[in-house]
Amino acid sequence: GAGVSQSPRYKVAKRGQDVALRCDPISGHVSLFWYQQALGQGPEFLTYFQNEAQLDKSGLPSDRFFAERPEGSVSTLKIQRTQQEDSAVYLCASSLSGRNTEAFFGQGTRLTVV
Amino acid sequence: ELKVEQNPLFLSMQEGKNYTIYCNYSTTSDRLYWYRQDPGKSLESLFVLLSNGAVKQEGRLMASLDTKARLSTLHITAAVHDLSATYFCAVGGVDSNYQLIWGAGTKLIIKP
Repeated sequence: GAGVSQSPRYKVAKRGQDVALRCDPISGHVSLFWYQQALGQGPEFLTYFQNEAQLDKSGLPSDRFFAERPEGSVSTLKIQRTQQEDSAVYLCASSLSGRNTEAFFGQGTRLTVV
Repeated sequence: ELKVEQNPLFLSMQEGKNYTIYCNYSTTSDRLYWYRQDPGKSLESLFVLLSNGAVKQEGRLMASLDTKARLSTLHITAAVHDLSATYFCAVGGVDSNYQLIWGAGTKLIIKP
């Protein structure tokens, strides 16, 4: 595709509900990142994939958060038993490869937990 | 631990004026990025700076990197209303191939 696509754009979840957020990276991009952005803050790293391998998940805030990229393209971020503090914008980014290449971001999914 | 600090966090200025946004970071880095974010939109890459003394310019924006001072600047020349946005710097540590630490952002409002 032309850019990174995320769905849904908006999600309202009741506390305790499970949610799944989808990311379609730019075709051919090896690297995929998930970030969490709270209102008025910069993005915070959650996890990183190189192809299908999850090389770093150190930023995931709890074991309720789980990410996968089984075929090295589309990725899903799953949050189980959502809590109010999970409310944020979840951003996905992809890059061609390598440490010095710029990342391209999707428009994000705004999650509101009520 | 790498920490990134931007200042100012908020800036309101008149069209036609010049100003500079600063990005300081706490440990050695070999790459720094500037991004722009419009309200409700995603992040748009502006500049990638990879070496000491690097300077890049695009229109009215110019970014520079001083790795010895651990400082990057984003300079705005003769600001126009369309440049109103939030600007973020993101810094990569030498011990990580991919993880970036982001500043809190500078919200820039340019008044006609």
